[in-house]
Amino acid sequence: DAKTTQPPSMDCAEGRAANLPCNHSTISGNEYVYWYRQIHSQGPQYIIHGLKNNETNEMASLIITEDRKSSTLILPHATLRDTAVYYCIVHRGVNAGNNRKLIWGLGTSLAVNP
Amino acid sequence: GAVVSQHPSWVICKSGTSVKIECRSLDFQATTMFWYRQFPKQSLMLMATSNEGSKATYEQGVEKDKFLINHASLTLSTLTVTSAHPEDSSFYICSASKRTGIYNEQFFGPGTRLTVL
Repeated sequence: DAKTTQPPSMDCAEGRAANLPCNHSTISGNEYVYWYRQIHSQGPQYIIHGLKNNETNEMASLIITEDRKSSTLILPHATLRDTAVYYCIVHRGVNAGNNRKLIWGLGTSLAVNP
Repeated sequence: GAVVSQHPSWVICKSGTSVKIECRSLDFQATTMFWYRQFPKQSLMLMATSNEGSKATYEQGVEKDKFLINHASLTLSTLTVTSAHPEDSSFYICSASKRTGIYNEQFFGPGTRLTVL
């Protein structure tokens, strides 16, 4: 599975959009981009994933560049509860019958400030 | 939903004792569960992959005799840290694989904080 590069930390003002970048320049055609977050002393929480099209759900939006070498997770209106470490993982999808392991980097520590 | 629980949420034990951590998928059946370990300010490190009814597959460097994994049912996997030592103090997290559409997604438990004195 391809590796990812994320900034170690970011700050965001409460109520503003938080844009978290991720580089995955060696991503292959059948690999998805997944985002998880981990609030302090809790287990990871799935946020969103995508292959090549932009995706949106109730938590966030995922923008993937046309060449798929990078992506951005957008939290449209960050709150204090969004303070967490955000992990970008590229993964060959977890196709039925194929439980390939997730490779975790250090992620981006997002601090949402009042 | 897809809820995964862990018990206990935290445990303190003396050096040399064994500790068992349970991971349960509450509202779905999980053929595969994963066990991770996370040290402070570090990322999650996969320890082993557990398939129901078969032996766990351990990652390189993880001692299978020290970290015993049992996956006796489709909703329960246990991790036993045998003869625990202070260096085993860590945050242990499990995840369970659930089929959603054509994929198997991983859902994570809340974690167990182990402190070995």
